[in-house]
Amino acid sequence: DIQMTQSPSTLSASVGDRVTITCRASQSISSWLAWYQQKPGKAPKLLIYKASSLESGVPSRFSGSGSGTEFTLTISSLQPDDFATYYCQQYNRPWTFGQGTKVEIK
Amino acid sequence: EVQLVESGGGLVQPGGSLRLSCAASGFTFSSYWMSWVRQAPGKGLEWVANIKQDGSEKYYVDSVKGRFTISRDNAKNSLYLQMNSLRAEDTAVYYCARDRGIFAPDYWGQGTLVTVSS
Repeated sequence: DIQMTQSPSTLSASVGDRVTITCRASQSISSWLAWYQQKPGKAPKLLIYKASSLESGVPSRFSGSGSGTEFTLTISSLQPDDFATYYCQQYNRPWTFGQGTKVEIK
Repeated sequence: EVQLVESGGGLVQPGGSLRLSCAASGFTFSSYWMSWVRQAPGKGLEWVANIKQDGSEKYYVDSVKGRFTISRDNAKNSLYLQMNSLRAEDTAVYYCARDRGIFAPDYWGQGTLVTVSS
C-alpha cells in the first residue's frame, strides 16, 4: 500500500500567517490527492481534491499544489476558524491518509 | 441535501460482534462506491473497507480481513459493516463516506463510536 507522510506534525501560527503543510507519497499517485480539515468531535471536511482543485464552498485562502509524490496545502492568511487538524489522503483505492498536522495558536 | 447517518456503535467485549449501519439520503446511493473509515481516540484516519455500487467488489484493510464484512442494500439506501471477533485495537469512531472516484470522498457521516473493552 502507498504510505503518506505529512510534515510537520504540529504547527504553531498566528492569525494572518501564511501556512504550508507538506505531504509525501511513497510512490507516484499522479494527482489523486485530497486535503481535509478536521475539528474535534467532527467528521473530516474536504478542502482540496485532485491535488489542486478547490471543493465547492471552501474559502479561496486554501490552495493545493503538487503531483507525483510531493504535495502541499497552503493557507494564505490563517483565520481563527482554521485552527484544526489537516490530513492528506491519496484516493487511489485502497485509500491511505497522512498522520495529520495540527495547526495551533501561537 | 446529502446526509449520511451512522448507527449501531456501542460497548462490546473482546471477541464480540457489532453491526454498523449508515443511512444515506439526498443523493442516488446506488451510483456511488461507499467506504468505512475509522479513527481511534486521539489518532489519525484509517480506511477500513469499501464496496462498489452493485456490491460486486469489496476491499478491506489487512487488519480486518476475515473479521469484518461490508455490505449494502441499495433499495434501502443503506451501508453496513458487520464486525466480528472484535479486538481492543478496533476501538474507534467509525465513519461512512461517499466515494466520488476521481473527485475524492466528499460527504462523511458524523461517526459512531465503537468501544471494545471488558
